[in-house]
Amino acid sequence: NAGVTQTPKFRVLKTGQSMTLLCAQDMNHEYMYWYRQDPGMGLRLIHYSVGEGTTAKGEVPDGYNVSRLKKQNFLLGLESAAPSQTSVYFCASSYEDRMGEKLFFGSGTQLSVL
Amino acid sequence: AQSVAQPEDQVNVAEGNPLTVKCTYSVSGNPYLFWYVQYPNRGLQFLLKYITGDNLVKGSYGFEAEFNKSQTSFHLKKPSALVSDSALYFCAVRAVNAGNNRKLIWGLGTSLAVNP
Repeated sequence: NAGVTQTPKFRVLKTGQSMTLLCAQDMNHEYMYWYRQDPGMGLRLIHYSVGEGTTAKGEVPDGYNVSRLKKQNFLLGLESAAPSQTSVYFCASSYEDRMGEKLFFGSGTQLSVL
Repeated sequence: AQSVAQPEDQVNVAEGNPLTVKCTYSVSGNPYLFWYVQYPNRGLQFLLKYITGDNLVKGSYGFEAEFNKSQTSFHLKKPSALVSDSALYFCAVRAVNAGNNRKLIWGLGTSLAVNP
């Protein structure tokens, strides 16, 4: 049981390049999220999904796209990277029952855009 | 507007002393409240949550938090701090009737340093 796995762990891009971050969870969770974490800004939600085939915008969706073709995977794409997208990206998954919600986070992807 | 405030960027305590990390919130309606911890170069880990019921919630690693509705606070506490508790702590809130609105509102985090 690996939990939430993010790949890659580190990446350096040049401005204008594209890339995809992969998030995989093996807990059969319905909900998945992509966050970015920046100093002094806390965690900001980029996009999220409430189930297979669904996606929704979070607080800071511009410049990113996502897809959830399979329940266990949630992909985050950067079509044309910009230096402002230099950040640490975290994927999370969760379930919710009568006891509330609990998020499980991956270990993060450090992205630098030069 | 919904918001979460963690008024202290950093908290320093001596090992063995009690610790408190403060959190206040503003949300429409009743809240779900959470504490998460982040160790260096790691993702966040769930510590505890308040959904309903007893105002004192016990969580992982000996932490607890007290929900105070009148003061709209959810402070994290531990009776005796350990050096290994040194980490970044995040408070988060969501309205109870948010439905499919999955947006947790996060505080900016408080860095806890426990000195030997």
